[in-house]
Amino acid sequence: DAGVIQSPRHEVTEMGQEVTLRCKPISGHNSLFWYRQTMMRGLELLIYFNNNVPIDDSGMPEDRFSAKMPNASFSTLKIQPSEPRDSAVYFCASSQTGFIYEQYFGPGTRLTVT
Amino acid sequence: KNEVEQSPQNLTAQEGEFITINCSYSVGISALHWLQQHPGGGIVSLFMLSSGKKKHGRLIATINIQEKHSSLHITASHPRDSAVYICAGGGATNKLIFGTGTLLAVQP
Repeated sequence: DAGVIQSPRHEVTEMGQEVTLRCKPISGHNSLFWYRQTMMRGLELLIYFNNNVPIDDSGMPEDRFSAKMPNASFSTLKIQPSEPRDSAVYFCASSQTGFIYEQYFGPGTRLTVT
Repeated sequence: KNEVEQSPQNLTAQEGEFITINCSYSVGISALHWLQQHPGGGIVSLFMLSSGKKKHGRLIATINIQEKHSSLHITASHPRDSAVYICAGGGATNKLIFGTGTLLAVQP
């Protein structure tokens, strides 16, 4: 398997623009996670899905952020409108369902909002 | 208050030294994950353990459930081990609670 695939790897955009990050989980994994990593706050869980259903979105910072998982092989994280404080590395990870399973991380998307 | 505490935050070692990174966690966490992140790089899962000990090459992870404590050991450390090591606790849900990470620098 190719592992968790994320695109784009780098995104530079201007404040106010819409940003869409994409993730393809490992085939057979039915849990998907979106994380944000910054120097100040470290790794934070934004939202996670089990079997394509959002289970916990309490980490989503505000209404500007939304995430979807229309099928088992694709998820998006959208920021609209983007702000400079959204600049971070966004990781997607997938696993089998259950806390005893390892999570496999994608390479991340480095987002810069100017 | 973070439910997962790591120490030390920073660690510098000489090549060949034995390294230990510690992680303490709170009630409700049933499994402990150790992750590795190289500078500017992705995150790799090293271990997941809910009891006992696991070994992979020069890396050893242990967990003491009664004391709610886990350690990551690196034997015969090498400069390529330089990275951030993160412990994360998992509980009844899939959510992971992350420690703040340990920045390890192994000098030749």
